[in-house]
Amino acid sequence: AQSVAQPEDQVNVAEGNPLTVKCTYSVSGNPYLFWYVQYPNRGLQFLLKYITGDNLVKGSYGFEAEFNKSQTSFHLKKPSALVSDSALYFCAVRDGNYGQNFVFGPGTRLSVLP
Amino acid sequence: KAGVTQTPRYLIKTRGQQVTLSCSPISGHRSVSWYQQTPGQGLQFLFEYFSETQRNKGNFPGRFSGRQFSNSRSEMNVSTLELGDSALYLCASSPPGLAGGRNNEQFFGPGTRLTVL
Repeated sequence: AQSVAQPEDQVNVAEGNPLTVKCTYSVSGNPYLFWYVQYPNRGLQFLLKYITGDNLVKGSYGFEAEFNKSQTSFHLKKPSALVSDSALYFCAVRDGNYGQNFVFGPGTRLSVLP
Repeated sequence: KAGVTQTPRYLIKTRGQQVTLSCSPISGHRSVSWYQQTPGQGLQFLFEYFSETQRNKGNFPGRFSGRQFSNSRSEMNVSTLELGDSALYLCASSPPGLAGGRNNEQFFGPGTRLTVL
């Protein structure tokens, strides 16, 4: 069975500082990994994905994520946080071998303080 | 290109009633998935449809059902509503190709907020 863990409910960072939102996963086959962001009263917006290839994936709004197979992690990063990055972030996994449904992590609330 | 649209955006029902939510995917998308989002349970997968066929189903009771039409539009129905069904229901569509395709990603609609009184 697939599962996703986001060990931090809340991450606080000062504007201009680097940010990291953590994600670990478990799948039987090849992991397809995704990050989504949700702003208040809105649906989810796609940030980036890892399917295959380079372990460092670059996405929207200056975000990037690093796939680490040995640690089964896919942490989201940004070199310099903006106040407008404050939102709820979800990591998701899909088993690429079996085409199973998406499984989302519980979400991490990011607060960027001015 | 228009995004995923969901109607209605807000809905208030009472216990025991039934409700139907609608989702129109991005033009050309053939796969539609539904999710329930609640503060306590987070985002939970309900079901996925591709070419009018249900491909996957989450761990929800039979009161939750769905269908997809030939134009890829999808509806989900919840019968005999319970207080715990109050949630944001999100629909997502995927680009052309098999639902498990290598480039698969999902585009979400704004959701329907259902309140059960």
